[in-house]
Amino acid sequence: DTAVSQTPKYLVTQMGNDKSIKCEQNLGHDTMYWYKQDSKKFLKIMFSYNNKELIINETVPNRFSPKSPDKAHLNLHINSLELGDSAVYFCASSHYERNTEAFFGQGTRLTVV
Amino acid sequence: AQSVTQLGSHVSVSEGALVLLRCNYSSSVPPYLFWYVQYPNQGLQLLLKYTTGATLVKGINGFEAEFKKSETSFHLTKPSAHMSDAAEYFCAVSAGGTSYGKLTFGQGTILTVHP
Repeated sequence: DTAVSQTPKYLVTQMGNDKSIKCEQNLGHDTMYWYKQDSKKFLKIMFSYNNKELIINETVPNRFSPKSPDKAHLNLHINSLELGDSAVYFCASSHYERNTEAFFGQGTRLTVV
Repeated sequence: AQSVTQLGSHVSVSEGALVLLRCNYSSSVPPYLFWYVQYPNQGLQLLLKYTTGATLVKGINGFEAEFKKSETSFHLTKPSAHMSDAAEYFCAVSAGGTSYGKLTFGQGTILTVHP
């Protein structure tokens, strides 16, 4: 009965590869997010989708492309991975109209070698 | 624009002692304020939040925080620390509305609890 689930939990890949991280929420929320936590534990928002529409797109390289097939899913695809992409990526969700706080997934630790 | 500053990247207390984690924010609109806790290799769990109304908010695990607009602060306290409180704590601010879940985080404070 996990609220926000991400797969995979760990991802090790080589530079130049393309990888995807999947996120699903079963809370009935209408807004989903991707956050990045760097090696110093600093958390920063990357993207936000409301009802499958992109509403927040922070300064993120074009190699990162989010996709929301429906309100319950938000995937993150990363092209041409670089060493600096190594981080923990958190998916989160909230409900705009109900003003619920953001619920976070367990994170995906991406290591680029 | 919004920002959050957490004073002290590391706080160490003895079990049973008062926990005080400091958070100051900057916001051009009335802020929504949050404290999240992160245990090792885990996601973030909400401890408490301030949106409107009562400025003293109570959260889970005995934590509470007070919103002080004049001091632009939202410090987190717990009267008596427990070993299980050892974790990293993040203060965050959002602007509400469609940006409610768009959180700007502080740098985090690692809480160590000594027996």
